[in-house]
Amino acid sequence: SAVISQKPSRDICQRGTSLTIQCQVDSQVTMMFWYRQQPGQSLTLIATANQGSEATYESGFVIDKFPISRPNLTFSTLTVSNMSPEDSSIYLCSVESSRGEIEAFFGQGTRLTVV
Amino acid sequence: DAKTTQPTSMDCAEGRAANLPCNHSTISGNEYVYWYRQIHSQGPQYIIHGLKNNETNEMASLIITEDRKSSTLILPHATLRDTAVYYCIVRALGGWGKLQFGAGTQVVVTP
Repeated sequence: SAVISQKPSRDICQRGTSLTIQCQVDSQVTMMFWYRQQPGQSLTLIATANQGSEATYESGFVIDKFPISRPNLTFSTLTVSNMSPEDSSIYLCSVESSRGEIEAFFGQGTRLTVV
Repeated sequence: DAKTTQPTSMDCAEGRAANLPCNHSTISGNEYVYWYRQIHSQGPQYIIHGLKNNETNEMASLIITEDRKSSTLILPHATLRDTAVYYCIVRALGGWGKLQFGAGTQVVVTP
């Protein structure tokens, strides 16, 4: 299994500012994923973070709004830029193990409130 | 669009079996059925997966119909800690981790 640590666990931010969320994994993983969970809703995939290449974004999500870094096989960041109250959500990091395990592991999430 | 249909909610008595249905009538031959759950304020947790045979692990059993168009997750002896949203997801080989979540079923286990 993989243990995922996300920082911060929660934050309250002013509109117009940006927040960078960190995701640290205790082992090397091939694929890392960022999800958003809006209040009372299910999870929606934002993007896939690949080491050594640009992230791949899902429909409705753009790099300017959600820039992602993946500097190595154990770490990734997601930035929520120029925030508005509509960005208030839980942001979750997920990984695919490179050891052939076929289940996804999730961090505890970052609860973001934009005021 | 999500490829699965689940009831919005269900209640279960503590100690009884909880049977969670899922319809996936458009499932392809190379797609697995996965179940995850999300306890309040936590990230989703893997439960079980299967292709066409029934599967059992320490957490649950998965029963897949012969035509693979539906499945049932069985929690054999529900506890209060099983209260969560349960997601049924179909996914093809490869692309592990890239999951398409539907609305899920809110399961409430009561004493």
